[in-house]
Amino acid sequence: LAKTTQPISMDSYEGQEVNITCSHNNIATNDYITWYQQFPSQGPRFIIQGYKTKVTNEVASLFIPADRKSSTLSLPRVSLSDTAVYYCLAWAGKLIFGTGTRLQVFP
Amino acid sequence: NAGVTQTPKFRILKIGQSMTLQCTQDMNHNYMYWYRQDPGMGLKLIYYSVGAGITDKGEVPNGYNVSRSTTEDFPLRLELAAPSQTSVYFCASYRNPWGDEQFFGPGTRLTVL
Repeated sequence: LAKTTQPISMDSYEGQEVNITCSHNNIATNDYITWYQQFPSQGPRFIIQGYKTKVTNEVASLFIPADRKSSTLSLPRVSLSDTAVYYCLAWAGKLIFGTGTRLQVFP
Repeated sequence: NAGVTQTPKFRILKIGQSMTLQCTQDMNHNYMYWYRQDPGMGLKLIYYSVGAGITDKGEVPNGYNVSRSTTEDFPLRLELAAPSQTSVYFCASYRNPWGDEQFFGPGTRLTVL
């Protein structure tokens, strides 16, 4: 199982770009890299997923270098509503969550 | 599609009681998971299933049992409830582990007194 390491917390201000980096040194060939967002009292919500290079959707971008030992979630122009815990997972089957990164966005 | 549904939303149990948390998905997903989340902590995998009739332990399986007789349903059984099982329980599902999004249910908040 690929173990992931993320910063425990990050602070930002509205309108800024936020980059959260995740380390997954022992990622396996079959593992996908997935990011989730969780608000208090709710289940995690899928944000974005990728295997290599760059993936972009309407809410975020995911950058994965060629060695796939790390990945970076990029949130453009965050707002107060982006305050949440963000989880990075590298998995294929047995989905294990790490401790996540608590993002606080200030006005 | 209703997605992943969980019942009940809330439950209070006395020590030693038993109960079953229900989880149903209508997306024909093969993989289903049960997690628990203690206050201020991350999610811990309890059990998971890769298809009907197949289940396996996760990180914290003690005190729980599961079954998967159909593709749609993945109930979690608590026998002899203990205060340490006070938590929020989430069920999740997805079709396959290579590139599919995982869907979570709304959770069941369980308190054992």
